[in-house]
Amino acid sequence: EPEVTQTPSHQVTQMGQEVILRCVPISNHLYFYWYRQILGQKVEFLVSFYNNEISEKSEIFDDQFSVERPDGSNFTLKIRSTKLEDSAMYFCASSVGQRQETQYFGPGTRLLVL
Amino acid sequence: KQEVTQIPAALSVPEGENLVLNCSFTDSAIYNLQWFRQDPGKGLTSLLLIQSSQREQTSGRLNASLDKSSGRSTLYIAASQPGDSATYLCAVRGGTGGSYIPTFGRGTSLIVHP
Repeated sequence: EPEVTQTPSHQVTQMGQEVILRCVPISNHLYFYWYRQILGQKVEFLVSFYNNEISEKSEIFDDQFSVERPDGSNFTLKIRSTKLEDSAMYFCASSVGQRQETQYFGPGTRLLVL
Repeated sequence: KQEVTQIPAALSVPEGENLVLNCSFTDSAIYNLQWFRQDPGKGLTSLLLIQSSQREQTSGRLNASLDKSSGRSTLYIAASQPGDSATYLCAVRGGTGGSYIPTFGRGTSLIVHP
């Protein structure tokens, strides 16, 4: 069964460093998403991406964040200058459609900022 | 702003019991509601997706109902098994203003003991 994959599974970085989290969505899906979950808290939406542009973003997704689909398979989330509070699990998801379709989640990347 | 509440926050039951997990939301103008399962340190697995026009969805021992007008959904788990132990999340997509951004509840942490 097709699944969303994410790399790396764990990332440790120093405050102020740039990180890139990578995702490979399911191949026939058109909509891509990033979420985060700070330890012990709710899953929070960051951004949705369709047709090579951002379709929606939350208040969390500020200028420190960017997303890109550099080729036909990868979808990346870049954090330019990490802060301690960026430590969280980051989930990528994809869906065929935007509104009525099931979103399929990857296993997540656990980011720790020291 | 859409808010999602899940009750109870935690549940511990013996194997074989039938369970009801509750999810309530404040803005009834939703597109759909999705139930997920999350195992510790892992990603989200989609269980059921109910569109706003539907009343319920079933998959195996799981049945989810939706009462949009009262802002409630329930996830019914029949004949619970130890393998059902996980956190169950509901996510509501949509609300007044037409955003597709999903809002998650905090989840119900379920333990089914043999």
